[in-house]
Amino acid sequence: DAGVIQSPRHEVTEMGQEVTLRCKPISGHNSLFWYRQTMMRGLELLIYFNNNVPIDDSGMPEDRFSAKMPNASFSTLKIQPSEPRDSAVYFCASSIQEAGELFFGEGSRLTVL
Amino acid sequence: GEDVEQSLFLSVREGDSSVINCTYTDSSSTYLYWYKQEPGAGLQLLTYIFSNMDMKQDQRLTVLLNKKDKHLSLRIADTQTGDSAIYFCAESIAGNKLVFGAGTILRVKS
Repeated sequence: DAGVIQSPRHEVTEMGQEVTLRCKPISGHNSLFWYRQTMMRGLELLIYFNNNVPIDDSGMPEDRFSAKMPNASFSTLKIQPSEPRDSAVYFCASSIQEAGELFFGEGSRLTVL
Repeated sequence: GEDVEQSLFLSVREGDSSVINCTYTDSSSTYLYWYKQEPGAGLQLLTYIFSNMDMKQDQRLTVLLNKKDKHLSLRIADTQTGDSAIYFCAESIAGNKLVFGAGTILRVKS
């Protein structure tokens, strides 16, 4: 069975460029979460969706970050413009229900130079 | 506010028991979780405990919950080199999202 699929796995970009991270949740899961992992701050919840609707975006760092979920099988996290402090591993996770077991993708490692 | 705290590092010898500790803040958490992250991978659910339980055992894993002290622990019996990973404690907040601790790096020496 396919798990949560994220792309790209690695991205290196220059400061000021736009970055788009993509996620395909597990089919049938109706909750989707975006997390960011850094050494300094650990694992932070950025935003989560339930039935494609953003429920809580209080973890989104600032206006440079935006996330969308146009349908049940696809979500994007966009950073525009990117900054070196955005360098991190970004994880997407999905679950059958809001408080159910989270299934994580393998992450997208972003490096902003 | 919500906060989950864990010790950052634990080193044990192969065959010994490992105990990873965690404290959390939200007394209304329904479930508490342990996730495992291997290098270069996402997190995987290891085990969880319902808040009205004191203990849960699953093969080599034992979870102890002290709700009064908001303390959670994970014991791994007969620790193997394959158990080397980062272990995250998590609590459910308002029933609909997980807050993770910073993770405990477990190193198993052969």
